[in-house]
Amino acid sequence: GQQLNQSPQSMFIQEGEDVSMNCTSSSIFNTWLWYKQDPGEGPVLLIALYKAGELTSNGRLTAQFGITRKDSFLNISASIPSDVGIYFCAGQVRGAQKLVFGQGTRLTINP
Amino acid sequence: NAGVTQTPKFRVLKTGQSMTLLCAQDMNHEYMYWYRQDPGMGLRLIHYSVGEGTTAKGEVPDGYNVSRLKKQNFLLGLESAAPSQTSVYFCASSYSRGRGNTEAFFGQGTRLTVV
Repeated sequence: GQQLNQSPQSMFIQEGEDVSMNCTSSSIFNTWLWYKQDPGEGPVLLIALYKAGELTSNGRLTAQFGITRKDSFLNISASIPSDVGIYFCAGQVRGAQKLVFGQGTRLTINP
Repeated sequence: NAGVTQTPKFRVLKTGQSMTLLCAQDMNHEYMYWYRQDPGMGLRLIHYSVGEGTTAKGEVPDGYNVSRLKKQNFLLGLESAAPSQTSVYFCASSYSRGRGNTEAFFGQGTRLTVV
């Protein structure tokens, strides 16, 4: 099946720093989604991308749908303590009926 | 705004016991999914459904069965629980958006331990 490679697997940063993470796939995706999961909770949708090249922001978060349709990026600017959690990318191949998830990026912020 | 509701939230089973996890959504979504989450493995799709009365296998279907008798409910069954099925289980639902389903919404999870 489709594989999503998400990197980095973990990040340790200082409060106020910017964060970048990405996902790549060997398949062409029709949709890219970015989720955040807090401890003990289910993933919550942050940003949805539907067109190659699309750049979408949600507050301090910005995500891009790669032009090749095989990758996506998430940036967080000026990190704050509540940004701590696990970030997942998810993608859907055109015509497929299911989402494939990356392994997640665990973000830790040192105050 | 209930969204996606999973029951139970926690459960401990003995090896060989059976149980059913219930997922209910009130958003009139066509698609529903069951994922399991294990440390370092991300979310892996167990089974999914594209509509009432239909189900399909995901990446890791062995040892699980599902049913979608009503559009709003998606049940995940373990006929004979094994320790390898210790995990956190998430249900999700999504709607059809033109060329495909997307924007899955998740429940809060069921933490299952098999001893």
